[in-house]
Amino acid sequence: DVQMTQSPSSLSASVGDRVTITCRASQSIRSFLNWYQQKSGKAPQLLIYAASTLQSGVPSRFSGSTSGTDFTLTISSLQPEDFATYYCQQTYKTPLTFGGGTKVEIK
Amino acid sequence: QVQLVQSGAEVKKPGSSVRVSCEASGDTFSTYGFSWVRQAPRQGLEWMGGIIPIFDTPNYAQKFQGRVTITADESTSTTYMELSSLRSEDTAVYYCARHYKDTPMADYYFYYGMDVWGQGTTVTVSS
Repeated sequence: DVQMTQSPSSLSASVGDRVTITCRASQSIRSFLNWYQQKSGKAPQLLIYAASTLQSGVPSRFSGSTSGTDFTLTISSLQPEDFATYYCQQTYKTPLTFGGGTKVEIK
Repeated sequence: QVQLVQSGAEVKKPGSSVRVSCEASGDTFSTYGFSWVRQAPRQGLEWMGGIIPIFDTPNYAQKFQGRVTITADESTSTTYMELSSLRSEDTAVYYCARHYKDTPMADYYFYYGMDVWGQGTTVTVSS
């Protein structure tokens, strides 16, 4: 199985901060990497697919990038509604696997 | 705009089975990939398996092989997930989700992430 190692597991940040979350795949997954946002008690929401393509309706402050097997989600200027848990997921091969999640909290 | 509507919460005894349904409305059903994902209390997301209705060929995570059955009924645009031999560790919220495609007839199914999710079904396993 492809292991997805996500870091950090949590972070505290202020409104307006630039936030970076990283996900490392245990093997090549090309660009089959997705990012989700999940708020408490709600289903996840797809933010980015194919490593860097913004899903329709997602604010442009979210972006994704890749370097080999390392993937990054960046929030350029954190907004109050961005406090949530973020997950990466690979869809290169089954079983589709998720990272452990990053909880973004208010500082 | 497609919606996925799941069946209601379930309380089950250890050793029993549960079947959760997920009805799609408003868009093409058969040519998309659907996944089932669960989330235990205060835990992360876990992929259980998926299905492409037009091919009716499920794919399961090894962890659930032999205990999970995922099916699809094209006539009702519904996918089902049945989990057997339930134990307390199966207590979780179960989600169905549809994988994104650029166009409905594109011939890929699980390449991209899940852009449409059901509301989740809470399954509680307790004696």
